[in-house]
Amino acid sequence: NAGVTQTPKFRILKIGQSMTLQCTQDMNHNYMYWYRQDPGMGLKLIYYSVGAGITDKGEVPNGYNVSRSTTEDFPLRLELAAPSQTSVYFCASRPQTGGNTEAFFGQGTRLTVV
Amino acid sequence: GQNIDQPTEMTATEGAIVQINCTYQTSGFNGLFWYQQHAGEAPTFLSYNVLDGLEEKGRFSSFLSRSKGYSYLLLKELQMKDSASYLCAVRVLSGNTPLVFGKGTRLSVIA
Repeated sequence: NAGVTQTPKFRILKIGQSMTLQCTQDMNHNYMYWYRQDPGMGLKLIYYSVGAGITDKGEVPNGYNVSRSTTEDFPLRLELAAPSQTSVYFCASRPQTGGNTEAFFGQGTRLTVV
Repeated sequence: GQNIDQPTEMTATEGAIVQINCTYQTSGFNGLFWYQQHAGEAPTFLSYNVLDGLEEKGRFSSFLSRSKGYSYLLLKELQMKDSASYLCAVRVLSGNTPLVFGKGTRLSVIA
């Protein structure tokens, strides 16, 4: 079991470029999440999905898009990168059963937009 | 909006006990989680409370008072490896809603 795998680990983008942050989980979890974490701040929810084909906006969705075509994959797309999107991005997943189940996090993608 | 407050930083001595507080004002409540996050790493799950009282797990314990909107994480016999950020998070609504996180408390353990 690899858990939640994120790629790449680090990336530098120029303003206006686009990229996709990949997230894959092998635990057959229905729920998946994308968070961003800025220095000294907590995790802020960007988008989430409760199953294949279903996505919902979180607290800070502007500038991002997601898709969920399979249970395993939940990629995050940045179309026109801006310096404000410099952050550490975490993908997480959890099983559907019960509100007490914890989320499992990937190792994060550290993105710098210059 | 949802509001979750934690102290920004704390310092404690190796071998001592430290209590990290978390207060929350949310539109609903369906459980409170504590996560540990070492610098440059992913958050990892520590504890979960949904009913009032104390949950103990080894050196770590977590307490919840729903009427006061208050929780704490208690770390005993502190070790240097406990230096990390501790994140308090609330599940506001039903089981399929995402967690809302506080800003985290950075704990430094000194010799």
